[in-house]
Amino acid sequence: KQEVTQIPAALSVPEGENLVLNCSFTDSAIYNLQWFRQDPGKGLTSLLLIQSSQREQTSGRLNASLDKSSGRSTLYIAASQPGDSATYLCAVKDNYGQNFVFGPGTRLSVLP
Amino acid sequence: GAVVSQHPSWVICKSGTSVKIECRSLDFQATTMFWYRQFPKQSLMLMATSNEGSKATYEQGVEKDKFLINHASLTLSTLTVTSAHPEDSSFYICSARDLTRQGGQFFGPGTRLTVL
Repeated sequence: KQEVTQIPAALSVPEGENLVLNCSFTDSAIYNLQWFRQDPGKGLTSLLLIQSSQREQTSGRLNASLDKSSGRSTLYIAASQPGDSATYLCAVKDNYGQNFVFGPGTRLSVLP
Repeated sequence: GAVVSQHPSWVICKSGTSVKIECRSLDFQATTMFWYRQFPKQSLMLMATSNEGSKATYEQGVEKDKFLINHASLTLSTLTVTSAHPEDSSFYICSARDLTRQGGQFFGPGTRLTVL
């Protein structure tokens, strides 16, 4: 059974710092991996989707990498801003492509 | 494009009543929809997968008689929490898969259920 973990559970940084969020999964036979952002009491906003054949994806200040063989993904946020404060969820979809298995999330606070 | 809506966005009900939550794909057809539950400060847990025109598939530990799912059309799925109790209070999020967008899965904004 696929299990997804995220480190750290919470992170507080001053504005302007570059930071890395980590995601690990136990079964490397994944279809894709996706990073989401969730604001308190809100739904999910998709940030980056990496297909199993890809190594990384970039969008603005965000960069996500995928090392399928080691079961790891990282989300790099450059020049963090207070507006980046949210919970970041990592989710993997298995090879059957049916549904996501979510990690517990990393709660990020960027202080002005 | 690829917008999923949920209604209501929040609901408060008395213990013992039933509550229906709607999930709609607004600009695409979704043969498959997913229902997730999220408790405070926890991640999303899949409850069930519904396919249009057939019975939903429930995850282990989810009572199918308590959480009734209907996926009667390609744009609408409903989740009915029957005889709700305070422990059912949670954030319910639906997701719809669009086969025309390489199987992209899109999430609704969620419904906050509070059972008194």
